[in-house]
Amino acid sequence: AQKITQTQPGMFVQEKEAVTLDCTYDTSDPSYGLFWYKQPSSGEMIFLIYQGSYDQQNATEGRYSLNFQKARKSANLVISASQLGDSAMYFCAMSALMNNNAGNMLTFGGGTRLMVKP
Amino acid sequence: DTGVSQDPRHKITKRGQNVTFRCDPISEHNRLYWYRQTLGQGPEFLTYFQNEAQLEKSRLLSDRFSAERPKGSFSTLEIQRTEQGDSAMYLCASSLDRVIVYEQYFGPGTRLTVT
Repeated sequence: AQKITQTQPGMFVQEKEAVTLDCTYDTSDPSYGLFWYKQPSSGEMIFLIYQGSYDQQNATEGRYSLNFQKARKSANLVISASQLGDSAMYFCAMSALMNNNAGNMLTFGGGTRLMVKP
Repeated sequence: DTGVSQDPRHKITKRGQNVTFRCDPISEHNRLYWYRQTLGQGPEFLTYFQNEAQLEKSRLLSDRFSAERPKGSFSTLEIQRTEQGDSAMYLCASSLDRVIVYEQYFGPGTRLTVT
């Protein structure tokens, strides 16, 4: 079974500053992927960044980076230079990675609401 | 290039009625997923298709729920005899069958309200 925990229900950040959103996970799968999604008020889930459990380097995508600490089972999202448009719900998720017909369904955390102040 | 689309975007129905939602995945994606998201929670997995085969079903998917993907393209999710507890956002996602990365692309969702 997989479990994702996001302990920050809400966060404020000043525009142009960096912010870290916490995510811890638990799994018995030997190989897994960690994902972050953004959900604005419109409701659509937007894929942001991916980290594989065997990747040696932390993933980066533009202003997003994933601080992956495997021993601590954490996969925190760092957003640099926050913008007003970053205000949204952010979900951490994981799936097992298997090269077969398994579903690789995502298990999501409860989310963190980020509010960017002008 | 179009993303995942879902229809309708909103549905209000009376308790006991049947409802059906449609999902059109990204055209080359062979995997399709349904999730349910209640207010203030993260999405929860319901079911998964690889091409036309339904390969996984969550225990959340009671016998009132049925999903199909008849030709391996669009999918439908039907809820029979709706209950107030079925009120939620129903999200569809699709992905391409690749070896390493299975990022899923989500549609805008169908928000169901059961009165």
